Amino acid sequence: DQQVKQNSPSLSVQEGRISILNCDYTNSMFDYFLWYKKYPAEGPTFLISISSIKDKNEDGRFTVFLNKSAKHLSLHIVPSQPGDSAVYFCAASVAGTASKLTFGTGTRLQVTL
Amino acid sequence: NAGVTQTPKFQVLKTGQSMTLQCAQDMNHNSMYWYRQDPGMGLRLIYYSASEGTTDKGEVPNGYNVSRLNKREFSLRLESAAPSQTSVYFCASTHEAGFNSPLHFGNGTRLTVT
Repeated sequence: DQQVKQNSPSLSVQEGRISILNCDYTNSMFDYFLWYKKYPAEGPTFLISISSIKDKNEDGRFTVFLNKSAKHLSLHIVPSQPGDSAVYFCAASVAGTASKLTFGTGTRLQVTL
Repeated sequence: NAGVTQTPKFQVLKTGQSMTLQCAQDMNHNSMYWYRQDPGMGLRLIYYSASEGTTDKGEVPNGYNVSRLNKREFSLRLESAAPSQTSVYFCASTHEAGFNSPLHFGNGTRLTVT
């Protein structure tokens, strides 16, 4: 049972436009959500996170939105740059569970010139 | 500052062979993790060590054993490799488990079992 779902395996966006990556979850106990970025042949790197007590967190060009009632979060990248081309993983954890993350299957973002 | 270092980067095993994947971190983190990544499956937790001297099973522990050798090192052992263990393995660490601090990942070990 996939508790964290990223239903779009891939996304192509033009440079300068907005990229929106989506993530849905089923476990209502999740209370902390993260996005990781992964380049080929490298490990995932932390991008941005959000606690369930918030509905938005912003860091430069990256903003994460959380809709708890819909069990949905999204990552917005504005403006998109070619260096943003990577696989993006959504992840979630339950408080007090030793930082054990449940990951989605990833969305491959390609930013074209 | 190396962060999380995994060795080897690549490995090919025959079914039934054994091997140990090594992981070391130099960030003085307390908690360490082993994940595997398979196509269409995301990353799945195999084992973790919340602190030195403790280890616990994750989502997919069957066929693996771990050792938290000291605060820096956390190894993953396959006693009798199977083709189903063909995967990319990632080691990760974080300062303190349960405090919502992000995981720092190594660059992975790509393992093929024939």
